[in-house]
Amino acid sequence: EVQLVQSGAEVKKSGESLKISCKASGYSFTSYWIGWVRQMPGKGLEWMGIIYPGDSDVRYSPSFQGQVTISADKSISTAYLQWSSLEASDTAIYYCARTPDAMDVWGQGTTVTVSS
Amino acid sequence: EIVMTQSPATLSVSPGERATLSCRASQSVSGNLAWYQQKPGQAPRLLVYAASTRATGIPARFGGSGSGTEFTLTISSLQSEDFAVYYCQQYNKWPAFTFGGGTKVEIK
Repeated sequence: EVQLVQSGAEVKKSGESLKISCKASGYSFTSYWIGWVRQMPGKGLEWMGIIYPGDSDVRYSPSFQGQVTISADKSISTAYLQWSSLEASDTAIYYCARTPDAMDVWGQGTTVTVSS
Repeated sequence: EIVMTQSPATLSVSPGERATLSCRASQSVSGNLAWYQQKPGQAPRLLVYAASTRATGIPARFGGSGSGTEFTLTISSLQSEDFAVYYCQQYNKWPAFTFGGGTKVEIK
């Protein structure tokens, strides 16, 4: 079964760093792009960026460029989304999904709560 | 960046009725358009890709159409499990494969 399993919920303070993960199974991790999507409380979906684990090629939405870092470790079939300094406005659910065009397999989401 | 606009924001429909959701792109995205369904507390689920191709396991009552800048998702006979929020997404142009704002389909 093709599956993406994300790390658990996080509660952080403003200014702290964070790295969340997305572990893939059931398919060739290095053959598909993985994308990240943000959903702020009560809001819609926002496409953040994408990585090709085969060669670590990364593309960011202009809205998220410089705000987050996307990476992957193909030895453990895991993609990451990280922040160096969180803000309260980063409070959201973050989803990973297999892509690069239509997102056909989604992780369950990671809730990140940032308090000021 | 391509802007995706969905209408209406909310659609009230009775079970068994037909629902028609619209998605407009600010510039042509060719046929590179997907539709997703999201229920409360759940991750989105891919329904349609390439504007009109149903994803694996998606019932035939879901149909997508359109190309260029105008797209439609039709649910032919709404079932109770279809009440949810629906998003369109273009994947024609890097670097941002933008989503629409969503249409909430609610019970009338």
